[in-house]
Amino acid sequence: DAGITQSPRHKVTETGTPVTLRCHQTENHRYMYWYRQDPGHGLRLIHYSYGVKDTDKGEVSDGYSVSRSKTEDFLLTLESATSSQTSVYFCAISDPGRGYNEQFFGPGTRLTVL
Amino acid sequence: AQSVSQHNHHVILSEAASLELGCNYSYGGTVNLFWYVQYPGQHLQLLLKYFSGDPLVKGIKGFEAEFIKSKFSFNLRKPSVQWSDTAEYFCAAHNFNKFYFGSGTKLNVKP
Repeated sequence: DAGITQSPRHKVTETGTPVTLRCHQTENHRYMYWYRQDPGHGLRLIHYSYGVKDTDKGEVSDGYSVSRSKTEDFLLTLESATSSQTSVYFCAISDPGRGYNEQFFGPGTRLTVL
Repeated sequence: AQSVSQHNHHVILSEAASLELGCNYSYGGTVNLFWYVQYPGQHLQLLLKYFSGDPLVKGIKGFEAEFIKSKFSFNLRKPSVQWSDTAEYFCAAHNFNKFYFGSGTKLNVKP
């Protein structure tokens, strides 16, 4: 498995609180992605990064922000968590420039917003 | 924007039956295509990928997929499924730095 870790793995929080999820990689891949997985929707892209401090929005970016201050870490922040953000969050990495065209996924973070 | 459709949401098969899961994508230009598998409680793992060349792609665990450009399809097949193939399967397409996933097909293989 690719060297991708996510923390925390499980979190329960209350509506209105800020939450930060961390993705850490040891593969030096250029691209990092955050997805949410919900039943019937597959994986939906929240934000992605194509380099340090270079990020872009995905299809479900409202209510989420990201930051990437170094290659190995990609943070996802829920500014003010809502119950609709209860989901499983997956981080992924890729690096087409080095031949890694496919994505490698982290183990996921299960977030529950009460 | 690209979109990926998987029309089979839930498939139930007996062991040794043949499998075919449908996948259609919307973009008509150059696109990379993938099938991922997610076993219960785990993350997504790559089964196979298509970039160019031979449209019949072989992956791990006996899976294969056929790229048919004229039909915008990339269907996944396996001649004989096993109970251990019980999982959710996702088709994905990649272009312009983004990956687009289908909604997934849950496969339940009865022993």
